[in-house]
Amino acid sequence: ILNVEQSPQSLHVQEGDSTNFTCSFPSSNFYALHWYRWETAKSPEALFVMTLNGDEKKKGRISATLNTKEGYSYLYIKGSQPEDSATYLCAFIGTGNQFYFGTGTSLTVIP
Amino acid sequence: EADIYQTPRYLVIGTGKKITLECSQTMGHDKMYWYQQDPGMELHLIHYSYGVNSTEKGDLSSESTVSRIRTEHFPLTLESARPSHTSQYLCASLGGWNQPQHFGDGTRLSIL
Repeated sequence: ILNVEQSPQSLHVQEGDSTNFTCSFPSSNFYALHWYRWETAKSPEALFVMTLNGDEKKKGRISATLNTKEGYSYLYIKGSQPEDSATYLCAFIGTGNQFYFGTGTSLTVIP
Repeated sequence: EADIYQTPRYLVIGTGKKITLECSQTMGHDKMYWYQQDPGMELHLIHYSYGVNSTEKGDLSSESTVSRIRTEHFPLTLESARPSHTSQYLCASLGGWNQPQHFGDGTRLSIL
């Protein structure tokens, strides 16, 4: 089983704060990296699919960067809102096309 | 909008029962997946399928079995449930390798 690590494990921020978290993955045999948001009692929802080194993706207040050479991706949330509270999962997809998920970062935004 | 359905959402059942967790998708996706997640742990792939009559075991060893007789349907079966099978089971499908997975709402299974 490949090791995909996310940090921090959990995070509490005040409404309006900006925050970021990390996904670390093997730097070899890279095919793609996915970010998902998973709210309680719902199914994981895709945020970004990233395939190229140096990729930057943005969706509203959320953005992500990718460094495949060193094996990490950052997810940024600008001006956090209570509705951003969720677990954020990353998934590494290797050239064998299997998905390896991290344990997630649990974000709580305090109003 | 993605359409992938899992039933039941919650199941509490006694040891030794045969259980089938249903997963259906209406998107015509060839690739489908079953994941198992214990609290505080990552999603672990237990089974996947790249098309009809194709099934493979994932990285996490599981006593469950799957079948793929139709593109839209990927059920998971436990022949004799045990307390160690208590977990959350998530089903997902994938349209293409550069696309994200679409997940069902999951089944929370508790074996007494």
